[in-house]
Amino acid sequence: DQQVKQNSPSLSVQEGRISILNCDYTNSMFDYFLWYKKYPAEGPTFLISISSIKDKNEDGRFTVFLNKSAKHLSLHIVPSQPGDSAVYFCAASVGSAGKSTFGDGTTLTVKP
Amino acid sequence: DAGVTQSPTHLIKTRGQQVTLRCSPKSGHDTVSWYQQALGQGPQFIFQYYEEEERQRGNFPDRFSGHQFPNYSSELNVNALLLGDSALYLCASSFGGYSNQPQHFGDGTRLSIL
Repeated sequence: DQQVKQNSPSLSVQEGRISILNCDYTNSMFDYFLWYKKYPAEGPTFLISISSIKDKNEDGRFTVFLNKSAKHLSLHIVPSQPGDSAVYFCAASVGSAGKSTFGDGTTLTVKP
Repeated sequence: DAGVTQSPTHLIKTRGQQVTLRCSPKSGHDTVSWYQQALGQGPQFIFQYYEEEERQRGNFPDRFSGHQFPNYSSELNVNALLLGDSALYLCASSFGGYSNQPQHFGDGTRLSIL
């Protein structure tokens, strides 16, 4: 039973447009959510996080939205840049960021 | 400021053998977690070490064991290797054990079992 799901394996957007990556979870105990970006041959890099007490968190071009009732979160990238092309992982944890449950990732391609 | 370093970067073993992977956490970090990432999947949590003790464990058999040293570095040991153990093994570090802090990942060790 996969507790964190990223249903879109891939997403392609034009440079300058908005990228929206989605993530669904089933465990209602999850209270901390993170997005990581991964380039080939490198480890995941932390991008942005959100606690369950919030419904939105912004950091520059990146915004994460959390809908607890729907058990859904999304990552918005505006404007998208070619350097954003990577695999994006959604992760969730109960209390500790150490034991994170990851989705299988969405490969984002931003076309110039 | 050195980030998380893992060694070796690649490793080839045969079924039944044993392997040890190593990880040095980011400077200032005291908590190390290990993940297994199979091709096309997200990282799966193996276990976490804090204060030289295993604090949390995922759904992995006892063939997977670890250790944390006083300098916070860590080892992952896998015994009786199976073909299904072929994966990228990622080490992640953070500070404070149960604190809600994002983890810093190393670039991983690619383990291939023949």
